[in-house]
Amino acid sequence: ETGVTQSPTHLIKTRGQQVTLRCSSQSGHNTVSWYQQALGQGPQFIFQYYREEENGRGNFPPRFSGLQFPNYSSELNVNALELDDSALYLCASSLAMGKNSPLHFGNGTRLTVT
Amino acid sequence: EDKVVQSPLSLVVHEGDTVTLNCSYEVTNFRSLLWYKQEKKAPTFLFMLTSSGIEKKSGRLSSILDKKELFSILNITATQTGDSAVYLCAEQGGSEKLVFGKGTKLTVNP
Repeated sequence: ETGVTQSPTHLIKTRGQQVTLRCSSQSGHNTVSWYQQALGQGPQFIFQYYREEENGRGNFPPRFSGLQFPNYSSELNVNALELDDSALYLCASSLAMGKNSPLHFGNGTRLTVT
Repeated sequence: EDKVVQSPLSLVVHEGDTVTLNCSYEVTNFRSLLWYKQEKKAPTFLFMLTSSGIEKKSGRLSSILDKKELFSILNITATQTGDSAVYLCAEQGGSEKLVFGKGTKLTVNP
């Protein structure tokens, strides 16, 4: 069984730039969620995708956007990067929306904005 | 907004000790309470709890939920250095998102 994989593992960007993070969901999982984890904090929900549609969004500005592809992989895009965007970005997949299916997380992408 | 509070925020014990980690939550339309272990990057799933009073157990780890008092505990017996990690508690309510606490950082010294 292939787990959740994310790329890249680390990334350094400059304030104002744009970034795209990628995620391949676990085999058989059709729901993908993205979380931001600042240092010393728990993960914060950004948004979730199900069948290529956004299904729920947390308290993040519109410059955070995403996509889900037919193979259930996903991208997180962040425009106009700010210093506070520096964090670990976690992708998680689950078996099916609406069921008690736990999220399985990838190793994350560590984004540093300078 | 839903809120999850974990205590203590950090804990240092010696190998062999037993620890209890606490998680309280406030939520509307509760669906489940989850525990994760985060060592370096990926939180790894430990337990999902949906019913009160039913203990879930995996080796030296166990967890129980009290839906009336809105809390859960995670117990680790005979701790080992490999148990050192941040333990995250998360609640899932009516929407699909998880609301996480800040975590408890557990350090097990030899």
